[in-house]
Amino acid sequence: GENVEQHPSTLSVQEGDSAVIKCTYSDSASNYFPWYKQELGKGPQLIIDIRSNVGEKKDQRIAVTLNKTAKHFSLHITETQPEDSAVYFCAASFGHFLSKLTFGTGTRLQVTL
Amino acid sequence: SAVISQKPSRDICQRGTSLTIQCQVDSQVTMMFWYRQQPGQSLTLIATANQGSEATYESGFVIDKFPISRPNLTFSTLTVSNMSPEDSSIYLCSVEAAGDNEQFFGPGTRLTVL
Repeated sequence: GENVEQHPSTLSVQEGDSAVIKCTYSDSASNYFPWYKQELGKGPQLIIDIRSNVGEKKDQRIAVTLNKTAKHFSLHITETQPEDSAVYFCAASFGHFLSKLTFGTGTRLQVTL
Repeated sequence: SAVISQKPSRDICQRGTSLTIQCQVDSQVTMMFWYRQQPGQSLTLIATANQGSEATYESGFVIDKFPISRPNLTFSTLTVSNMSPEDSSIYLCSVEAAGDNEQFFGPGTRLTVL
């Protein structure tokens, strides 16, 4: 089955700096890669996703890049703000109707003033 | 995105008892899933809740321990049976609305078993 590794497990950045979280996956058939943000006491929130037919996607301060050859994808957050502090999870899945997501282990991002 | 609610939001239960968690969506969805998130850990898929048929369980999870119902396209329940302290976790339902792989999660049910 699919295996997703995520690094780093914790990340501390100063407000205004950029943050990068990286994930690798094992199943070359995976074709959908979402990123979730989980704040304390809440369920995961889908913040951005990318499919295997594109290499990069941006949404304001958030971007995701995908390297299919190397089987890794990354989340980039620019101009970080304190409200970006949360746990971030990457995930991977294959298929259209059987959308079983395999999650990474999570990255705790702390944005300091 | 779909609006998802879960009941209860949290509970403290005694070992040996069972708890049923409800998941309600504000629109009809194709797929519903149940996940477990142990303290400080990532999310693990328990099962896919199939409308009108038995749920599809992942390796390590069985129907006797986690019976699931899905009577229609907007509602599902997960029961955690014969609970032990190891079952203390956050239980999350998620939905895929449009067949496009995007999954949205409910707020979770925080279960503590004493």
